[in-house]
Amino acid sequence: QQQVKQSPQSLIVQKGGISIINCAYENTAFDYFPWYQQFPGKGPALLIAIRPDVSEKKEGRFTISFNKSAKQFSLHIMDSQPGDSATYFCAASTTTDSWGKFQFGAGTQVVVTP
Amino acid sequence: DGGITQSPKYLFRKEGQNVTLSCEQNLNHDAMYWYRQDPGQGLRLIYYSQIVNDFQKGDIAEGYSVSREKKESFPLTVTSAQKNPTAFYLCASSMVGGYNEQFFGPGTRLTVL
Repeated sequence: QQQVKQSPQSLIVQKGGISIINCAYENTAFDYFPWYQQFPGKGPALLIAIRPDVSEKKEGRFTISFNKSAKQFSLHIMDSQPGDSATYFCAASTTTDSWGKFQFGAGTQVVVTP
Repeated sequence: DGGITQSPKYLFRKEGQNVTLSCEQNLNHDAMYWYRQDPGQGLRLIYYSQIVNDFQKGDIAEGYSVSREKKESFPLTVTSAQKNPTAFYLCASSMVGGYNEQFFGPGTRLTVL
């Protein structure tokens, strides 16, 4: 049973468009929500992360929106570029749990067409 | 350069064989993790460790074993008991506790022939 549900499974967006990926969770003890970017054949790398005390965090063209009451968070990629074509994973963890385990979503494959 | 190395990059195994995947980190992280990645299923936790000589089972530990004899090393053995071992295996490490990023290695792709 996946504790973090991610959608869509894949999406295609034109260059310059907006990519939106959504994640939902049930465990209210989660208090750290990172997003990872993975290129084919490589390990994931941290893209951006948010804590539940803020509703939005922006880094360059990447923005996380967080809705604590709905237990949902999303990644927006503005002005999408072909180099953004990758698989994106959302994750959640409980920082008071000293083990620091992450629960990952199933991933979204993003393809940005020229 | 600080980071995580995994070897080999590609590994082929015959059915019934045990194989060991290597993971080394020089980030001075206490915590290390092994994940399995299958298409459409995200990353599933196999084993994790926070300290030398101690490790815990993750969500899919059956058919796998690990050791943590050194802080910087966390090898994973895929045993013959693992029914479907063909997958991409990722090792990660992090500081312990708090809002700590997990750093991933480049992965090992295991194929059972």
